[in-house]
Amino acid sequence: AQKVTQAQTEISVVEKEDVTLDCVYETRDTTYYLFWYKQPPSGELVFLIRRNSFDEQNEISGRYSWNFQKSTSSFNFTITASQVVDSAVYFCALRDSNYQLIWGAGTKLIIKP
Amino acid sequence: GAVVSQHPSRVICKSGTSVKIECRSLDFQATTMFWYRQFPKQSLMLMATSNEGSKATYEQGVEKDKFLINHASLTLSTLTVTSAHPEDSSFYICSAAPSGDQPQHFGDGTRLSIL
Repeated sequence: AQKVTQAQTEISVVEKEDVTLDCVYETRDTTYYLFWYKQPPSGELVFLIRRNSFDEQNEISGRYSWNFQKSTSSFNFTITASQVVDSAVYFCALRDSNYQLIWGAGTKLIIKP
Repeated sequence: GAVVSQHPSRVICKSGTSVKIECRSLDFQATTMFWYRQFPKQSLMLMATSNEGSKATYEQGVEKDKFLINHASLTLSTLTVTSAHPEDSSFYICSAAPSGDQPQHFGDGTRLSIL
């Protein structure tokens, strides 16, 4: 079965702290894509990153970084030096062979000033 | 980057009204678009896959006669909530991708409130 688990329902940290959002997935496909999306309080979904299953290289984009480990079926997301504007719900998703997205439950991130 | 426009952003109407939501890909063509529903504090639930020129594929439990989908062109898909009732109140979001291996880009969503 295809499944995405985001075990952290809500995380609250003080501004400037680093925070890691966990994502664990299950799939039988050998080729798949993993995604992270951000949903701020206004509701729109913002694409953050896509990772191909064949590319295990970690990625850094500014304060954001992603750690993809096939051995543990995890695709974790770290925000360094968090800011209040990072407050949002973050979704991890797996795309199946029908191009449909399997969504995690989301992690609500609260950054306190 | 790929832009998806969704309209209207908010609808408040009386029970029994039919509501049409539009989803447009502004700078790319999309043979496939997706419609999601999101309840408060929950994840996105795929309702249906909209296919240009053919019938939409509905997920299990989604009433096709209740949620009519039309994908008449490569840049426009519409979702019509027919005879809406308070339980249909929700946040509806569409998405599309320029091609199969590209990430889905999302509209800003439509917040539907049925009184």
